[in-house]
Amino acid sequence: KQEVTQIPAALSVPEGENLVLNCSFTDSAIYNLQWFRQDPGKGLTSLLLIQSSQREQTSGRLNASLDKSSGRSTLYIAASQPGDSATYLCAAKLIKAAGNKLTFGGGTRVLVKP
Amino acid sequence: GAGVSQSPRYKVAKRGQDVALRCDPISGHVSLFWYQQALGQGPEFLTYFQNEAQLDKSGLPSDRFFAERPEGSVSTLKIQRTQQEDSAVYLCASSPVGYSGNTIYFGEGSWLTVV
Repeated sequence: KQEVTQIPAALSVPEGENLVLNCSFTDSAIYNLQWFRQDPGKGLTSLLLIQSSQREQTSGRLNASLDKSSGRSTLYIAASQPGDSATYLCAAKLIKAAGNKLTFGGGTRVLVKP
Repeated sequence: GAGVSQSPRYKVAKRGQDVALRCDPISGHVSLFWYQQALGQGPEFLTYFQNEAQLDKSGLPSDRFFAERPEGSVSTLKIQRTQQEDSAVYLCASSPVGYSGNTIYFGEGSWLTVV
């Protein structure tokens, strides 16, 4: 059974510092790995998706890397801002999973202090 | 509507009561998912529909949970004889056929509290 783990569970940084969020997964037979953002009381917003054949994806200040051999993905957020405060979730889609079934990590709750 | 719509947003149920949670996916989206998210945890998969067909219900925690999508559009998640451990946010998501990337959309969830 695929297990996805995110460490740390919570992170607090001063504004301007770079953020590094970690995600590990046990089954390397993934189709893709996706990072989401969740604000309090809201649903999930997709940030970046990395296909299994890719090593990284970038969007603005966000960069996500994928290393299937070690079962790890990392989300980097450059020059953090208070508006980046949210919970960040990674989710893996297994090759054999029906449809778009995703296995989520527990999330990292980020606070960026002004 | 422009996004996935869920109702009710908040529901308080007495233990033993039946509840029904509704999801209106984005128009034309073939795939529909239900996830359960406990406080402070990531979402856990419950069930998946492709049109009206329920292709995967492996995540439903017990036979008290039932989901349907009779016309391939709106879906309802029903929980019978609710228990305190059912308290969670129930998230619905939809995606079009041929999902290939950032095309899965989540609703804001239905917050269920069982007292």
